[in-house]
Amino acid sequence: GAGVSQSPSNKVTEKGKDVELRCDPISGHTALYWYRQSLGQGLEFLIYFQGNSAPDKSGLPSDRFSAERTGGSVSTLTIQRTQQEDSAVYLCASSLRESSYEQYFGPGTRLTVT
Amino acid sequence: GQQLNQSPQSMFIQEGEDVSMNCTSSSIFNTWLWYKQDPGEGPVLLIALYKAGELTSNGRLTAQFGITRKDSFLNISASIPSDVGIYFCAGQLSGGYQKVTFGTGTKLQVIP
Repeated sequence: GAGVSQSPSNKVTEKGKDVELRCDPISGHTALYWYRQSLGQGLEFLIYFQGNSAPDKSGLPSDRFSAERTGGSVSTLTIQRTQQEDSAVYLCASSLRESSYEQYFGPGTRLTVT
Repeated sequence: GQQLNQSPQSMFIQEGEDVSMNCTSSSIFNTWLWYKQDPGEGPVLLIALYKAGELTSNGRLTAQFGITRKDSFLNISASIPSDVGIYFCAGQLSGGYQKVTFGTGTKLQVIP
């Protein structure tokens, strides 16, 4: 079946521009997570959505980062006024329910800020 | 906050050799997870451990949940070229929703 998909796969943007990254989770998965992976680093938690509950935004590094999840499905991560240190791979994952450890990851979006 | 230290950071091995990598934490976890990430892909769950002392196998992979709840190791036996990738450990505090904390990864290269 279809897995988690993300778009675009690669994004190059100029410093100061805004970018939007999209995640389509697996159908029926109620939990959705965003992570950031910098070169040579582990996964840094950014934000978590579960059903209609308020999202856990505790991992967002600054107020330039925001995310939405519409209709309990597709999610968009927005980075405003991008900085070079925002360059990383942004990974989205979904799981069947909030208590499921088994997160299914998308292929990621590689963001390069020049 | 919790930190997970993985070692080694990278390793080169000959095909057929066994591999061992470990993960230590400054905090106690109730669940330990091991993921593998292939180039250009997201991580895929390999093994999940739920009890201190638990030893679990998945094919050529074996992982153990340390007695202290602060460490875990992953062994790969008889390595093959497709084992190449980055292996991440991850810890989770308890059931229900808890953020998963990921280690920094071990990059494995297998020489045919």
